[in-house]
Amino acid sequence: NAGVTQTPKFQVLKTGQSMTLQCAQDMNHEYMSWYRQDPGMGLRLIHYSVGAGITDQGEVPNGYNVSRSTTEDFPLRLLSAAPSQTSVYFCASSGIIPGPSGIGELFFGEGSRLTVL
Amino acid sequence: AQSVTQLGSHVSVSEGALVLLRCNYSSSVPPYLFWYVQYPNQGLQLLLKYTSAATLVKGINGFEAEFKKSETSFHLTKPSAHMSDAAEYFCAVSQNQFYFGTGTSLTVIP
Repeated sequence: NAGVTQTPKFQVLKTGQSMTLQCAQDMNHEYMSWYRQDPGMGLRLIHYSVGAGITDQGEVPNGYNVSRSTTEDFPLRLLSAAPSQTSVYFCASSGIIPGPSGIGELFFGEGSRLTVL
Repeated sequence: AQSVTQLGSHVSVSEGALVLLRCNYSSSVPPYLFWYVQYPNQGLQLLLKYTSAATLVKGINGFEAEFKKSETSFHLTKPSAHMSDAAEYFCAVSQNQFYFGTGTSLTVIP
């Protein structure tokens, strides 16, 4: 059981280049999300999805696009990379549960370290 | 929107001493609460979670946390620190979205 798989683990880009970070989960989770982690700022939500065909913005969505064509996959696209997007990116998934919390335990991928020169 | 506050971005304890990492949340409705741990160059893994059952929650590696509604707190403790506990710890709240604190880096001094 692979859980949440992210690729690539490391990537170096030049300013203005575009790229896609891949995320796949094999737990049939409805909820998937992308976070970026920067020193002293914890994890900040970029985009999330509650099911195939449904996506929404998080706290820091600018410069990123997502799509959810299948339950398993949730790629994150950087349209025109900027040095401010240098960060570690985490994909996470969860089941949706009834009640006020809505989302159960988040399962994380191992992260993708992106450097934009 | 929810907010999660972790007091102390860096905590140092001696090996064998009590570990106490603080977390407060803002919510009028008791949410689900979580503690995650992140070892260097790794993803986050779940330490423990509160889902409105017992207020004292036991997790992995000897950690536990107590949900106190009156104080809106969910502090993480471990009676005796081990060198392997050195890591970054994140408190999180689930209420339609996940809201994370900014993390506490735990250093264990031999």
